[in-house]
Amino acid sequence: GAGVSQSPSNKVTEKGKDVELRCDPISGHTALYWYRQRLGQGLEFLIYFQGNSAPDKSGLPSDRFSAERTGESVSTLTIQRTQQEDSAVYLCASSLVTSGSSRGFFGPGTRLTVL
Amino acid sequence: GENVEQHPSTLSVQEGDSAVIKCTYSDSASNYFPWYKQELGKRPQLIIDIRSNVGEKKDQRIAVTLNKTAKHFSLHITETQPEDSAVYFCAAIPIQGAQKLVFGQGTRLTINP
Repeated sequence: GAGVSQSPSNKVTEKGKDVELRCDPISGHTALYWYRQRLGQGLEFLIYFQGNSAPDKSGLPSDRFSAERTGESVSTLTIQRTQQEDSAVYLCASSLVTSGSSRGFFGPGTRLTVL
Repeated sequence: GENVEQHPSTLSVQEGDSAVIKCTYSDSASNYFPWYKQELGKRPQLIIDIRSNVGEKKDQRIAVTLNKTAKHFSLHITETQPEDSAVYFCAAIPIQGAQKLVFGQGTRLTINP
């Protein structure tokens, strides 16, 4: 695959249900990020992975949010007991950290709507 | 941790004029500064980046300047065109160690025909 992919592209769920969002980074990219973007707003940092470990989980809004990454590739972001305020586009990005740059590439995002 | 401030939040310019967006950062260890363009309904796309050992970088109509002493960097777009209308995000990251990419708040640029 040429770029970062995310699935599903759209998810509509009822309040209180759990959802799982998936990110497939560019092969070989060690760093992986999750961001949340509400309509017309900026990029809200959620969590960052370096390899399989998450050095920075400071952006997760509550304990309903969790994420994991296995095999230094796929990552899943899980939101339990969804609330209407969770509605947003969830963007994943990956990058390869080299000696001089860390070019991040974004996936197309998952648009989550909580009814 | 790193904090990035971006100004202005909105910018409107006449087609053909220049646009400048400015960002400041707090962590002197940051040494890589990318800029992203996000068109309506699309993902952010990397348009230009600069490393801390370089003061200026240009790519056709866009350029980025970096002042390490003052800890600020700017995006310059010359001869603006309608397709330049988008939201632009700056970011900063220290390359060494396990560090996250920190974004500014974004600038909504509108090019008026």
